[in-house]
Amino acid sequence: GAVVSQHPSWVICKSGTSVKIECRSLDFQATTMFWYRQFPKQSLMLMATSNEGSKATYEQGVEKDKFLINHASLTLSTLTVTSAHPEDSSFYICSARVVAGVWMETQYFGPGTRLLVL
Amino acid sequence: DAKTTQPTSMDCAEGRAANLPCNHSTISGNEYVYWYRQIHSQGPQYIIHGLKNNETNEMASLIITEDRKSSTLILPHATLRDTAVYYCIVRGNFGNEKLTFGTGTRLTIIP
Repeated sequence: GAVVSQHPSWVICKSGTSVKIECRSLDFQATTMFWYRQFPKQSLMLMATSNEGSKATYEQGVEKDKFLINHASLTLSTLTVTSAHPEDSSFYICSARVVAGVWMETQYFGPGTRLLVL
Repeated sequence: DAKTTQPTSMDCAEGRAANLPCNHSTISGNEYVYWYRQIHSQGPQYIIHGLKNNETNEMASLIITEDRKSSTLILPHATLRDTAVYYCIVRGNFGNEKLTFGTGTRLTIIP
């Protein structure tokens, strides 16, 4: 199957700082990537859909100015949590959509990034 | 509105087949059934998906009823590493259709 990586795997930062998370499709090109957030003991919640070369589409209730998404190439999307606060502490997971080819059309997920804001 | 209904939790003995049910009575004709699983503290892992025919791959089998209102994911010989939360998701296969995760089934494999 397709491989998606995330970096870093975990990060601890001080309140008020910004944190950038990278999501890469390693062996395929992804015109569409997705960003999810998961709080403890809860399911994944979609934050935004990231399309290569265009603006991201945010889900209702997700602040686009706080969660900046850039999808500048077909293999890389970044999520920047700006001015992070303790309530932003969560498990952030990206996925990449395989549009065609051997693996058919589905989404493959990265391993996730655990963010802790102190 | 939830498109799928799954049991909250299930146990299965190691080495036995694990059968995970999913109800999706409002599925429409162009929607696929996807299964993912999430092992603790990891990203979800794709397992299998299907439209109306039964599907099998190296991980599992997917049995979809003829009316498509329910399906069963089968792990033929469960191991301890199959302990995870299993998500059944109904999704169209066009454009930027989203995967919406419900609460899933927490499967525990018992030694």
